Amino acid sequence: KNQVEQSPQSLIILEGKNCTLQCNYTVSPFSNLRWYKQDTGRGPVSLTIMTFSENTKSNGRYTATLDADTKQSSLHITASQLSDSASYICVVVSGTYKYIFGTGTRLKVLA
Amino acid sequence: AAGVIQSPRHLIKEKRETATLKCYPIPRHDTVYWYQQGPGQDPQFLISFYEKMQSDKGSIPDRFSAQQFSDYHSELNMSSLELGDSALYFCASSLAGAGNTIYFGEGSWLTVV
Repeated sequence: KNQVEQSPQSLIILEGKNCTLQCNYTVSPFSNLRWYKQDTGRGPVSLTIMTFSENTKSNGRYTATLDADTKQSSLHITASQLSDSASYICVVVSGTYKYIFGTGTRLKVLA
Repeated sequence: AAGVIQSPRHLIKEKRETATLKCYPIPRHDTVYWYQQGPGQDPQFLISFYEKMQSDKGSIPDRFSAQQFSDYHSELNMSSLELGDSALYFCASSLAGAGNTIYFGEGSWLTVV
């Protein structure tokens, strides 16, 4: 069964600290993996899109990694800000257009 | 645990007809989101509601409308259907508050013929 599991379910950190979110998947066939940031009540914002051959991709303070062998991805946030408080969703795309959503990690950044 | 429930799972309509999709959020969730994913396309955010009020609006066509009811379920109404409306429609729900996890339903397939 195609699954995308994220951990931790929730995370609280202090402003300025770094954190890493995990995404493990059992999806086949694999096309690409995406990380989204979504604020409650708002639409999602795409952070990164990674294909099979890409190991690391950065977008500002966000760095995503992908290990296609172990089927794991991580999202590292550097020097967190209060505005980083959101839900971070890992999505694995299978085949042409099948999107399998993870349940997300909720991040709260405290001052 | 109960998840986000969408109905119907599959729907076939003719052009110019009207369709209604329903979404039942996870119990106690007060925020609902709608997304549209066409064949070969990324999911597109349509609209969201918090406490029965629209909280954000994305690329929702004027032919579409949505609302959230007192029991927090939501309905997406699509009128004057076009072939291009054929897509997978996702609903998601969450609790309000910064950083709360958003949970997705399995989607409703709409085919317009």
